[in-house]
Amino acid sequence: GDSVTQMEGPVTLSEEAFLTINCTYTATGYPSLFWYVQYPGEGLQLLLKATKADDKGSNKGFEATYRKETTSFHLEKGSVQVSDSAVYFCVLTGGFKTIFGAGTRLFVKA
Amino acid sequence: GAVVSQHPSWVICKSGTSVKIECRSLDFQATTMFWYRQFPKQSLMLMATSNEGSKATYEQGVEKDKFLINHASLTLSTLTVTSAHPEDSSFYICSARIDRDYSYEQYFGPGTRLTVT
Repeated sequence: GDSVTQMEGPVTLSEEAFLTINCTYTATGYPSLFWYVQYPGEGLQLLLKATKADDKGSNKGFEATYRKETTSFHLEKGSVQVSDSAVYFCVLTGGFKTIFGAGTRLFVKA
Repeated sequence: GAVVSQHPSWVICKSGTSVKIECRSLDFQATTMFWYRQFPKQSLMLMATSNEGSKATYEQGVEKDKFLINHASLTLSTLTVTSAHPEDSSFYICSARIDRDYSYEQYFGPGTRLTVT
């Protein structure tokens, strides 16, 4: 069946460091891919999305490219801030099913 | 746009009582809503899919008589935890689906933290 694998956290970075959170998937058909962010005590917020191969989603300095050849959707940000500390979920939708990654917790130190 | 609200944001109840959680799509209509449960430091676990005007579809292992779901309108779904027990304490999150041309998006509510004493 379809699945999403994220790198395990927590990831701890200093402010202004470069961020990569890896996400790979297995799916039949043509899934859509999303990154959601969850701040402490809150629900999930849609961060960015890509609906087909080679699409690049971007928002708030974060970006991710839908790579069909490597079945990946890695999240990147060039310079993280303390306010980016949160849990990030890689999510796949396809066939009206939503598959969540396990989540990666990011800590950014000042 | 695409805002989902939940009420209450947190609730404490005594064992044996029932609690109702509301999920509303504020600026769009949602024929499909989802209810999730999240344990500390874990991902979301889908409990049920709620379709407006029909019975909810529950995931395996979720007791439908304990977690009553009603999708009364295109903007409102409710989850009632009946005869709550301490093991039902959790963070409950709803989401609403927006269908696009070749995919769909989910927008999540802020969550409701339930504590059963």
